[in-house]
Amino acid sequence: AQKVTQTQTSISVMEKTTVTMDCVYETQDSSYFLFWYKQTASGEIVFLIRQDSYKKENATVGHYSLNFQKPKSSIGLIITATQIEDSAVYFCAMREAGTGGYKVVFGSGTRLLVSP
Amino acid sequence: AQTIHQWPVAEIKAVGSPLSLGCTIKGKSSPNLYWYWQATGGTLQQLFYSITVGQVESVVQLNLSASRPKDDQFILSTEKLLLSHSGFYLCAWSQGAGDERLFFGHGTKLSVL
Repeated sequence: AQKVTQTQTSISVMEKTTVTMDCVYETQDSSYFLFWYKQTASGEIVFLIRQDSYKKENATVGHYSLNFQKPKSSIGLIITATQIEDSAVYFCAMREAGTGGYKVVFGSGTRLLVSP
Repeated sequence: AQTIHQWPVAEIKAVGSPLSLGCTIKGKSSPNLYWYWQATGGTLQQLFYSITVGQVESVVQLNLSASRPKDDQFILSTEKLLLSHSGFYLCAWSQGAGDERLFFGHGTKLSVL
């Protein structure tokens, strides 16, 4: 069964610094998709970035990038030059490409607080 | 552009009463649809998914049911609410066909008293 684990409950950083959020996953599938989502204080959830398991190059979108370490089943989210508005809860998620491909499992989330 | 609308925004219901939550997606034909539940401060638990009209698959059993009466509509319901049903309900859609991103509605906050 697929599983996603985020061990960092909360992180506090100063504005304009770089932060890394950890995520490890478990899957029996050889092909899968990994995602990071952001939930703001209003409850809105938005997609941030995605990594396909077969791609070796780490994904980058704006000031978000991923540290994909497949042998360690790890997909870290890196936010550079953090801004106050990056304060939110960040969820890691995984979707297998096989027969269970419509099941998307989320981690428990990491709360990020960015201070001025 | 695609839009997703959830209703109602919030509900306060009594234990044992029925519930119906809805979700409509506009601007996208044949989307994959999902229901998620989130306890306060908790993770997102997938409840159901649907890849076509009339077909719904359950992921976990929480004494809830779901239906997809139209291509763009997804309904979550129960005949008898429990205290444990309280939380935040989110509807989401994805395009499928290689684009696996989930796009979420703004959610419904449910309080069962």
